[in-house]
Amino acid sequence: GAVVSQHPSWVICKSGTSVKIECRSLDFQATTMFWYRQFPKQSLMLMATSNEGSKATYEQGVEKDKFLINHASLTLSTLTVTSAHPEDSSFYICSGTSSTDTQYFGPGTRLTVL
Amino acid sequence: AQSVTQLDSHVSVSEGTPVLLRCNYSSSYSPSLFWYVQHPNKGLQLLLKYTSAATLVKGINGFEAEFKKSETSFHLTKPSAHMSDAAEYFCVVSPIDTGRRALTFGSGTRLQVQP
Repeated sequence: GAVVSQHPSWVICKSGTSVKIECRSLDFQATTMFWYRQFPKQSLMLMATSNEGSKATYEQGVEKDKFLINHASLTLSTLTVTSAHPEDSSFYICSGTSSTDTQYFGPGTRLTVL
Repeated sequence: AQSVTQLDSHVSVSEGTPVLLRCNYSSSYSPSLFWYVQHPNKGLQLLLKYTSAATLVKGINGFEAEFKKSETSFHLTKPSAHMSDAAEYFCVVSPIDTGRRALTFGSGTRLQVQP
């Protein structure tokens, strides 16, 4: 199957700093990418839908100014957590849609804000 | 609107015995349904998907699921559990068969396999 990578796999940062997470589709072009968030022992919650070359669509309750999403190419989407706080600590997972309309998930990025 | 309910947050079985993970869904449209598995510190892996073809869907690693519209269920089964099956399992629904729609995840079922 197709491969989606995320970088970094884990990151620790100080409160108030910004963190960028990259999501790459390695062997396919993803016109649509999704960003999910998973709290410990909980399910995945959709944060936003990202279409290449256009603004992301955010789910209700997700602050677009805090979680900046850029989808500049068909193989890369980035999520930047701005002015991170401890409550932003979570597992962030992206997925990309292939030409066969199948979603492939990245391995996730664990963010810890001190 | 769509939603999915996983009826058990935790299931424990002995190695070699059958596995049943229950899932019920609600959808305003003809749904696509998926089962994903998440091993610790690993990404989500697609086990199988239903997209309005055969109601009995066979997936990887011996898993299968049956779509029952009358019961709005999509339970995951495996005849004989293996230690490597221990993981978190998510039942997922999408309104139509397109990856361009976001997926709605169930709350997950943690499968424990006892030796």
